[in-house]
Amino acid sequence: GEDVEQSLFLSVREGDSSVINCTYTDSSSTYLYWYKQEPGAGLQLLTYIFSNMDMKQDQRLTVLLNKKDKHLSLRIADTQTGDSAIYFCAERGSNDYKLSFGAGTTVTVRA
Amino acid sequence: GAVVSQHPSRVICKSGTSVKIECRSLDFQATTMFWYRQFPKKSLMLMATSNEGSKATYEQGVEKDKFLINHASLTLSTLTVTSAHPEDSSFYICSATPGLRGSGYTFGSGTRLTVV
Repeated sequence: GEDVEQSLFLSVREGDSSVINCTYTDSSSTYLYWYKQEPGAGLQLLTYIFSNMDMKQDQRLTVLLNKKDKHLSLRIADTQTGDSAIYFCAERGSNDYKLSFGAGTTVTVRA
Repeated sequence: GAVVSQHPSRVICKSGTSVKIECRSLDFQATTMFWYRQFPKKSLMLMATSNEGSKATYEQGVEKDKFLINHASLTLSTLTVTSAHPEDSSFYICSATPGLRGSGYTFGSGTRLTVV
């Protein structure tokens, strides 16, 4: 199957920016997603980007896509304690509706 | 926005019994629903893809006779864990999509299954 990789942990000071990185291998990816999971809960879609886009910004969230390097990042500006969660990167190929997920990055926001 | 309701949120059952988990799309028609299993501190493992009115497509290594999936309508899919054993204890999450180009995937809140 397709591989999606993320760093496992990120610690950030409250008020700073967080950057979560993700790499993928499927060159036919059509959409790439960022999901947030809080303890004991399902996944909340934060944002997604179409593969022909380089950047997408939505309030505090900025997604950058380098399709050549198959690298995706999520920047959270002015990180708050409520941003502490696990963040999953996911990609969707061109042939079906399946998503391939990374292992998730646990973001811890410290005061 | 799109909402997917998943029930129950938590269930404890005895070994050998069966458990049914429901996944409903509340404000859209879900042509395709997915069932995932998540182990502690791990990513989501896709178990199967279900399309309304047809048999589910199971991922390699997932026993279809043990994990029965029914997608009887455009708003409801169920996962039944049959003859549950302690190793089936896990967090199960469903997701749904209307299948339109560019649409996202909405996830349920998950079901914590504990088999004792």
